[in-house]
Amino acid sequence: QVQLVQSGGEVKKPGASVKVSCKASGFTFTSFGISWVRQAPGQGLEWMGWISPYNGNTNYAQNLQGRVTMTTDTSTSTAHMELRSLRSDDTAVYYCAKPGRGYYEIWGQGTLVTVSS
Amino acid sequence: EIVMTQSPATLSVSPGESATLSCRTSQSVSNNLAWYQQKPGQAPRLLIYHASTRAAGIPGRFSGSGSGTEFTLTISSLQSEDFAVYYCQQYNDWPLMCSFGQGTKLEIK
Repeated sequence: QVQLVQSGGEVKKPGASVKVSCKASGFTFTSFGISWVRQAPGQGLEWMGWISPYNGNTNYAQNLQGRVTMTTDTSTSTAHMELRSLRSDDTAVYYCAKPGRGYYEIWGQGTLVTVSS
Repeated sequence: EIVMTQSPATLSVSPGESATLSCRTSQSVSNNLAWYQQKPGQAPRLLIYHASTRAAGIPGRFSGSGSGTEFTLTISSLQSEDFAVYYCQQYNDWPLMCSFGQGTKLEIK
């Protein structure tokens, strides 16, 4: 069964960092990579970036450059997304997604990250 | 950066009728466009890719059309489970970047 299973919700204070994980199963982890997409409460979808587990190449959304790092562990078929210097407007559900050739066939269940003092 | 514009923001339609949702891009994306359905508390679900190809398991009442900068998602004979938010996504420059529209909420009239 093709699936992505994400880590549980997190509550962080402003200025802190958060790391969300996404474990893949049922498909070749190194094919097409993993993307991260977030959704603030009541808002639309925002593409955050993409990583290739094959060679570690990454592409990040311009507005997150310098604050986000995406990594993978091919031994466990797990992708990680770390976001630093958290602000209140980073409060969102964070999704990992498996791309086909640019479109997203499989999505994780989502991880709610709440940033609050 | 390619800007996506979906219209209308909200569409009210009665069950059994058809719904037409639009997505416009600020520059040509060829046919590199997908549509997703999202229900409250759930992850998005891929409906259409390459502008007009239905994803696996998607009913035939969902159809996509268009190319370049103008795209349409048509849902015929609306069922109760079709009322949701719909997003378009362009992936013309993937994996460098991609972007989503702001969504159209399809509600029961």
